[in-house]
Amino acid sequence: QSALTQPASVSGSPGQSITISCTGTSRDIGGYKYVSWYQQHPGKVPKLIIYEVSNRPSGVSNRFSGFKSGNTASLTISGLQAEDEADYYCASYTNTRSLVFGGGTRLTVL
Amino acid sequence: DVQLVEPGGHLVQPGGSLRLSCTVSGFTFSSYAMDWVRQAPGKGLEWISYISNTSSSIYYADSVKGRFTISRDNAKNSLYLQMNSLRAEDTALYYCVREGRGQQLIWGQGTLVIVSS
Repeated sequence: QSALTQPASVSGSPGQSITISCTGTSRDIGGYKYVSWYQQHPGKVPKLIIYEVSNRPSGVSNRFSGFKSGNTASLTISGLQAEDEADYYCASYTNTRSLVFGGGTRLTVL
Repeated sequence: DVQLVEPGGHLVQPGGSLRLSCTVSGFTFSSYAMDWVRQAPGKGLEWISYISNTSSSIYYADSVKGRFTISRDNAKNSLYLQMNSLRAEDTALYYCVREGRGQQLIWGQGTLVIVSS
């Protein structure tokens, strides 16, 4: 199972909005309503920020939002803050009931 | 509080075996499917295995199929990963992960496995 495709890096200035894309196929993202997103700061454990494409767990800022169209999911972070600087990973189920992750996107807040 | 604890770090020689464990608390373990996910140093996340709450369904990534075995003991609130025929490329931080409704993955702290002679 190939990894989902994410841009290696994105950047933005404080207060701006950025979007991270996550592209798969009809055998994963396109075939299921389950896409999740994780934030990982250096040396830390991944933290769930979006599940079921667009739902936020309790305690996650509403500056994080998710969307899916066809085989591509996206994560938007609005009102960028310095603390948002981290790696972000998308995940999806596949048609073989495995999980597949994106390669990760490094967000730099300028 | 939900807790998933994978004790210690491990150094093993190529070709060797190792059994990872994960002990959970703060939730009803027998109600949740579980996964193992690993992260090689400086690399991304790689799913390696899934087990349903009753152990009736088990899946593996191609990279570990035939070498790794996932299991669980609901009476002991514990998840396991038996790793055989270890290779240098298996060196990684191994996370125990709870699968919640809607693909809500909750992660343990991870345990480091180093495969080296």
